[in-house]
Amino acid sequence: GQNIDQPTEMTATEGAIVQINCTYQTSGFNGLFWYQQHAGEAPTFLSYNVLDGLEEKGRFSSFLSRSKGYSYLLLKELQMKDSASYLCAVRDGDYKLSFGAGTTVTVRA
Amino acid sequence: GAVVSQHPSWVICKSGTSVKIECRSLDFQATTMFWYRQFPKQSLMLMATSNEGSKATYEQGVEKDKFLINHASLTLSTLTVTSAHPEDSSFYICSARDFSGLAGGITDEQFFGPGTRLTVL
Repeated sequence: GQNIDQPTEMTATEGAIVQINCTYQTSGFNGLFWYQQHAGEAPTFLSYNVLDGLEEKGRFSSFLSRSKGYSYLLLKELQMKDSASYLCAVRDGDYKLSFGAGTTVTVRA
Repeated sequence: GAVVSQHPSWVICKSGTSVKIECRSLDFQATTMFWYRQFPKQSLMLMATSNEGSKATYEQGVEKDKFLINHASLTLSTLTVTSAHPEDSSFYICSARDFSGLAGGITDEQFFGPGTRLTVL
């Protein structure tokens, strides 16, 4: 089975940095994804890690440590439009995704 | 990136009726599609894997006779909620798996549809 944990909520100020942690225990690992989801909409892809290390993509970066079962998503220079739910998802050997419960990020002016 | 559409975007129906939701990959072929359900303030839960030309595989606890899945072509999968009840009210999201990565993403990446909001009265 899959067990994926991430914080429920985070609040930060516009222009600041926020780090969303995700820990996982899975029966198979074939990559970790981060998605952004606005209320009532489908998830949109942010990042993908399959090897240990940091992947940077503009204002968003994601880190993975497979030995620790740990990932984080780093959001820099926060903007109001970044207020959303952020989902950590682990892909298994059958290419199925298991999602964490999501972290609601609120950006305040 | 690749585009996946869903139809309808929302539907309201009476208890006991059946509702069909379509999922289409518009610019790539998807032999595998996935159906998820999301209740308010909860994460996506995988319901089933839809395989073109063969039977769907369902996750534990999902009734296959209630949630009928048909993957008749490389670009279309349908989910039919039979004899819907109020507890079936949810946000249903499909995704299509891009084996090749040619759709603009990572090999084997899943592209999500916009979702269908089902309300059963």
